[in-house]
Parts: sequence; C-alpha cells; structure tokens
Amino acid sequence: EFQLLESGGDLVQPGGSLRLSCAASGFTFSGFAMSWVRQAPGKGPEWVSALSGLGDGSYYADSVKGRFTISRDNSKNTLHLQMNSLRAEDTATYFCAKMNGHPLSSYYMDAWGKGTTVTVSS
Amino acid sequence: QSVLTQSPSGSGAPGQRVTISCTGSSSNIGAGSDVHWYQQLPGKAPKVLIFGNNNRPSGVPDRFSGSKSGTSASLAITGLQAEDEADYYCQSYDSSLSGWVFGGGTKLTVL
Repeated sequence: EFQLLESGGDLVQPGGSLRLSCAASGFTFSGFAMSWVRQAPGKGPEWVSALSGLGDGSYYADSVKGRFTISRDNSKNTLHLQMNSLRAEDTATYFCAKMNGHPLSSYYMDAWGKGTTVTVSS
Repeated sequence: QSVLTQSPSGSGAPGQRVTISCTGSSSNIGAGSDVHWYQQLPGKAPKVLIFGNNNRPSGVPDRFSGSKSGTSASLAITGLQAEDEADYYCQSYDSSLSGWVFGGGTKLTVL
C-alpha cells in the first residue's frame, strides 16, 4: 500500500521561508513523478509543482514559479518543497501526491498524503 | 477562477443517478488530455475515482463511471448512496499552462 507522510507545515510571516517534506513508502519511489498539491480553506485543490522520478524534469504553477523549488532524494524516498517569499495567498494545506500515467497529458494523482498546513500571517 | 468549470453543487435522492460535468477548453480536455475524477470527504485528502476518462481503480464501485466528449467530461453516479455525499473534482493537463489543473469542485448532497 502506498504511504505518503508530509511534514514541515507551520505558521510563518509574509516574506518568510519554509521547507516541506514528504516521506514515501510502499512503492519504488524513483520510478514515479511526484507532485505537491495545495488546498486553501474552503477551496478546491490547486496543483503547485511536480518532479520526474529521476529529478530531471520539474514543473511549476505560475503562482509559485520563481519562489518555490521542488526536489527529491531518491536514496531516502523523500520529496521536498522549498517555499520562499511566502505570501498570505500561499496559506493552505499542502498535499504530497504520487503521479501515475503517461504521457504528461495523462498524469493523475493515484496516492495522496494527509497533508501539512502552512499559514502565512503576521 | 478555475481552468476547468464545474457546477458548484448537485443533489439526488438515494438510489437515483446523478451526473457531474466538467467543462474545459482547447488547451486541456479539447486537446486530448485525459480527465480524472477525485472524491474528497470532509477533512480527508482527495481520492481518485476515475482515471484516464473512464477507468476505475480497484476498489471503486462500478456505480461510478466517467465519459469525455469534445471539451467536456462527466462523472456519473448510479444507485446514489448516503456515503457518496462529498466534494468531487475533475483534473486534466493544460498544454498552454504546461501544468495540471483542477476543476472548482461540485459539492454533492444526498437528499
């Protein structure tokens, strides 16, 4: 069974930084692309960023491009999201999700973690 | 404003059939990108219900089915049950945005 466990969420001031982590188990981590998806309170999910299995292809939503960096450590089955220059509108629960499918236009999220909460407020 | 448009709410009585629609554009659904559907129960993470337009993961009842035509897609639920009361989201890939997009969601109420 796939397991994804996020950590690192916190209350941070506008302009601050935070690093989220996601520990994966139950599948061959390096064989799958991974994504971060966020969900603001009362809103629908918003895809944030994705990274290929070998880490050689990264993708970002326009809303976070230039501020967030996705990375992975396949030796530790861990996904990260470095978030800089945080804004109030980044406040959300951040989910780590395993991606499946091929090609890019067919990708979907077939496993999700429980999420970690990021609150950006002074 | 979501790239994929869904009606904010829907309802049906137990046993009825309901459909939830998802409208996109020529840069996502109309471009041939697959549509996937997720169910989200209160306080939980989304769970995939339908992938690749009309495929069900193991464990998802065959009461759930998906279809796609042109720039739109639909999720159908037959034999509606109380436990189907949840938020439903469609998802696809947008070539203009070079990223994955979700619909705004449909809150389904079982009367």
